[in-house]
This record gives sequence, structure tokens and C-alpha cells, in this order.
Amino acid sequence: KNQVEQSPQSLIILEGKNCTLQCNYTVSPFSNLRWYKQDTGRGPVSLTIMTFSENTKSNGRYTATLDADTKQSSLHITASQLSDSASYICVVSANGQNFVFGPGTRLSVLP
Amino acid sequence: GAGVSQSPSNKVTEKGKDVELRCDPISGHTALYWYRQRLGQGLEFLIYFQGNSAPDKSGLPSDRFSAERTGESVSTLTIQRTQQEDSAVYLCASSLAPRDRGNQPQHFGDGTRLSIL
Repeated sequence: KNQVEQSPQSLIILEGKNCTLQCNYTVSPFSNLRWYKQDTGRGPVSLTIMTFSENTKSNGRYTATLDADTKQSSLHITASQLSDSASYICVVSANGQNFVFGPGTRLSVLP
Repeated sequence: GAGVSQSPSNKVTEKGKDVELRCDPISGHTALYWYRQRLGQGLEFLIYFQGNSAPDKSGLPSDRFSAERTGESVSTLTIQRTQQEDSAVYLCASSLAPRDRGNQPQHFGDGTRLSIL
């Protein structure tokens, strides 16, 4: 069964600190992996998209990594800001036909 | 430019009533998706439209759910005889390319928050 798991479920950090969110998947065949940011009451916004051959991709202070062998991805946030408080969703595309969504990690950045 | 627009933003209705949710995708986007997001849970796929091809309805949870799309523009999701378990946020997304071609991101609207009393 295609599944995407994310950890931790929630995370609280202080402004200015770094953090790393994890995504493990059992999706086959793999097409690409996406990270989205969803602010409360808003729709998800795309952060990165990585294919099988890419093992890292950055978008400003966000850096995603992908290990296709172990089927793991991480999202690293550098120098966190209050506006980073949101849910971060890992999504894996299965053969370009289905998008399998993880449950998300809820990040709270405190001043 | 304008993003994906959904209306209404909130809808409260009584159990048993029919509701219609609207999605205006980004102009030129051929792919359109509907998702359901229950409180504290991940997104569930409902239906996918690609151009004039037959839609992928494999995610619709029951025959009370249906959706239409006129060409490559507006889409409506209809829920008949609503039940309390239909309470959720319904999100629409559009994309420049078909889901099996390229790595285009999905652009989401802010959703319709549906509450069934």
C-alpha cells in the first residue's frame, strides 16, 4: 500500500533556530517528491519538487533532501522566522498517476 | 496574476441538503484536482480533470459526490444529501501540465470550509 509518513507530528522551536522535518514513504513506482507549506486556513503552497535523480533542492531558507534508496526525505529550515509557523506536507507522486499525501508536521516558531 | 479561486469560503448547511462548491483554476492550467481535508488529517484525493479527457473519479467516496468541469475552466463539486461526516475543507488545485508529464507544482486555492449541522 502506498503510504507517506512524517515526523515529528508537531514541533516547537524558537525564532532563529534551525529544524529538520522527516518524511518516509513506501510509494512505488516513484515519480517525484514534493514539499508543501500550508498556513492555517490557507491552501498548500509548493516549496520544492525532486525527481529520482535529485538528492537536494533549495528554496531560500528551505532545503529538501531525498534518498531514493532508503525512501526518505527531509526538509531543513534555516534561521527560522515566525512566518514559518505552518504545517509542512510531504507528497509523493506514484508513477505520475496518484499523489500520496503525508499527514503533515505542524511547526510552531516562538519569539 | 490571479491564483486558484474557490467559493464560497465557508458553507454551513443542514444534514440532507445539497451543496455546490466552485473552483476557478489559473488560466491556462489544463489539470484540475479536488481534495478533501478533514480536521487534523492529510489531503484525500477526490477527482482529477485533464483537458477534455474523461476524469479520474476514483477518489470520490460515494455516489453522493459528483464534479463537473467545463473545458479547461471552472469546476463545480456537488455533494447531495449531505451527511455530518462530509464536514471538511474541500481544496481545489490546478497545474500547468498533466499529472503524468513533467514536474509542475499544484497551485491550491484556500478551500471551502463545509460544516454540516
